[in-house]
Formats: sequence, structure tokens, C-alpha cells
Amino acid sequence: EIVLTQSPGTLSLSPGERATLSCRASQSVSSSYLAWYQQKPGQAPRLLIYGASSRATGIPDRFSGSGSGTDFTLTISRLGPEDFAVYYCQQYGSSPLVTFGPGTKVDIK
Amino acid sequence: EVQLVESGGGLVKPGGSLRLSCAASGFTFSNAWMSWVRQAPGKGLEWVGRIKSKTDGGTTDYAAPVKGRFTISRDDSKTTLYLQMNTLKIEDTAVYYCARNGWSGDFDYWGQGTLVTVSS
Repeated sequence: EIVLTQSPGTLSLSPGERATLSCRASQSVSSSYLAWYQQKPGQAPRLLIYGASSRATGIPDRFSGSGSGTDFTLTISRLGPEDFAVYYCQQYGSSPLVTFGPGTKVDIK
Repeated sequence: EVQLVESGGGLVKPGGSLRLSCAASGFTFSNAWMSWVRQAPGKGLEWVGRIKSKTDGGTTDYAAPVKGRFTISRDDSKTTLYLQMNTLKIEDTAVYYCARNGWSGDFDYWGQGTLVTVSS
């Protein structure tokens, strides 16, 4: 069973700073099937990145994804006030079919 | 514009049943693979299950905690996705989201969610 671990649990940063979020898998994940989501309080998740590095429709280019194998990264180049939220990584294809990481909360320092 | 609107949530006693619906619009529903994802209060996201399009076999897959108790179905004529939940447990309490599966195993559109509370 694939387990996704995200670090750090909480990231405290100021607007304009760079955020680097990590997602590590217990077994190799196909890069084609690694996604990132943003969720704000009281809202549904929103797809940011699919296929490890492709931005979803309408996602600003300050969001970027990278990585392969067991180590993946979501980078927000300059945090805007609207970017403070919880971020989840997700894998597809290995047992169980879909797994989410526990999330990283990005809050205002 | 893609829209997914869930309904049917509410309060149910342990051991009870509930059926959730997800009305879809803005895309060709019959071609889409669809999933349910849930989120317990204050917790992370948990995939519940998926149904393929009928042209791809219409088969379903479920997460271990719900297998044998939950059933996903679809009515393409009504562009609606369903989640039949039986033998509900307290730990099934969550907001339930329907989501459209993207081409890379992701979930590219989500509904606003419906809250299911299992309590005596």
C-alpha cells in the first residue's frame, strides 16, 4: 500500500515569500499520476497540478510542481494573500487506487 | 461551465442508510469517470470510490473502509451520480464530495460537498 507523507505539517511564511512543499511516497509513483490540490476553509479542494508538473486550467504560473519516483515538490514562487491554505498531494494507480497525503498548511507568519 | 451539485446529506443513526446524489452539468457526463471523496471534520481527504463511464465498462472500485457497504452508480440520462451508503458507522461522518476524474488520475472538478453525520 502506498502511503504519502507531506512535510512540513505547517509552513509559516509572509506574503511574497517562496513556499516549498514536499510530498514523499512510500513506493515509487508514476509521475503521470501525482497531483496537488489547494483547499481553503469551507471550500472544496481545487486542482493545481496534475501529472506532477502540469498546471491545471486557470492556475497562475507562480505554482509549479516537480519530482519523480518517491519525491515530489510543489513550489509557490511568491505567496499571494489568497495562497494561504492547506495543500494536499494525491497519487493514483497503486493500491489503494487513490491516496491523499495528510496535507501541509501554509499560514501567515 | 462545469458544475457538480451534491445533495442528500443529513443526520442518520449508526446502522442506517443514506443515498447521496450529485447532479452534473457543463460537460458530457456519460463520458466521464466519476468519484466520491470524503473529509471527516477537521481531517484530510479520503477517496471513497470511483465509477467508470459505461463505454469503459461502467465498473466500480472502492476504498477498503467502505467496500461492501457503499455502492456508486450513475444515471447518464439524468447526468447524476449516486452514492448509496448502508450500515453506516460513526466514522463515516464527513463532508462527501463528488469529483470528476481527470485524464491523469486527478480530480479536476469538485462539488461543494454535502455533510453526512452518523450519530445516535
